Formats: sequence, C-alpha cells, structure tokens
Amino acid sequence: GAVVSQHPSRVICKSGTSVKIECRSLDFQATTMFWYRQFPKQSLMLMATSNEGSKATYEQGVEKDKFLINHASLTLSTLTVTSAHPEDSSFYICSAREEGDTEAFFGQGTRLTVV
Amino acid sequence: AQSVAQPEDQVNVAEGNPLTVKCTYSVSGNPYLFWYVQYPNRGLQFLLKYITGDNLVKGSYGFEAEFNKSQTSFHLKKPSALVSDSALYFCAVRAVEYGNKLVFGAGTILRVKS
Repeated sequence: GAVVSQHPSRVICKSGTSVKIECRSLDFQATTMFWYRQFPKQSLMLMATSNEGSKATYEQGVEKDKFLINHASLTLSTLTVTSAHPEDSSFYICSAREEGDTEAFFGQGTRLTVV
Repeated sequence: AQSVAQPEDQVNVAEGNPLTVKCTYSVSGNPYLFWYVQYPNRGLQFLLKYITGDNLVKGSYGFEAEFNKSQTSFHLKKPSALVSDSALYFCAVRAVEYGNKLVFGAGTILRVKS
C-alpha cells in the first residue's frame, strides 16, 4: 500500500510553545489529507480535512486558530499546535488520500506531551 | 444510532482458533466499508475494504470480511489467529451522508493467547 510518513513520532514541549507535525505522502499525490486526534483507548476523532491549495475544513468544536493546518503541496501537510497546553497532549494521526481513490493511508502518529 | 458500531470492547481467542471481530453500520445508500489495525503507539494500517461486488473480501495478513447488507454488518474474520494479531481493530465507513469522510467505530482490542 501507499506510504504516509509522519514526523516527529514523539515530541515533548513546554506549555505555551508551538509544535509542528509533518505528514508526507511518499509515493502518491495526496489531494486530500486528514488530521485526527486519538485519546487513550478511544477511537479517532477527525479534526480537519485539507485539500491541497485551499483552506482546511475544521470539524465542529476544533479551534482553527489553535490547530493550524497547511497543505501547500500534494505531498505535504502540516499541523501546528499553537500555544500548547497540557490538555493538548494526545496522539495525533494524519491520513492521506489520492483523488479518485477509495481508501486513505495513515501516518505512524505523533505522541505530543505538553509539560 | 451510531453510524458504526463495534459491540465488543475486547475479543479473546486462543492461537490457532478462528477469530471474528464484529462491526455493524447504520448509514443509508451504499457505503464503503473498511477495516484498519493499530499497534501500540502507531498509526492505522489498512487491512481491507468493501466497495462493491463479492460480499467476501480478502485482505492483508490472512484477514477477510463479509459484507451482509440485510444485517448491515461487516465482520472481520481470520481462520487461524496468531499471537501477533493482537492489536486494536477499527471498522470504518465512508458515506455520502457523512461528507465522504471516514467515520470510525470505537475499536475492538483483540487478544490472542498462546
């Protein structure tokens, strides 16, 4: 299957700082990318959907100014958690889908810990 | 009603025995159905999907799933479980009524004991 690389796999940051997470499609053009958040022992919660070259569409209850998403190219999307707080600590997962494809492929996930 | 339901939080099975992880859905039309597996602190790995055609879908690592329209189910199966199959399994549906986004079930932990 297609490969999606997410970096970093783990990050620890201080409260109040910003953290950027990258999601890259390595062998296909990701016209659409998705960002999820997963709490321990829970399912994935979709945060936002981004299409290359346009603004991301955020799910209800997700603060767009706090979770900045950029999808500037067909192989890269970034999620920046701004002014991070301990409650932002979570497992963040991206996925990518090529136009016309039926399934999305997932990155390895990023464990964010805010101290 | 939940769009995707995985009624079992956990399934325990002995190595070598057949396994079933259940999934039912409640969306209209003809949804796309998926199974993913997640190992600890990792992203999701695609196992298989049903789009159209044969109700029995074969996927990765010996897994298969049977689409049953009358029962709105898409149970994941494997004839002979391995200890290495122990992981968290997610059923997901993609449907027009959800904007073609993936909607995930709550997940089922599969434990295979030797």
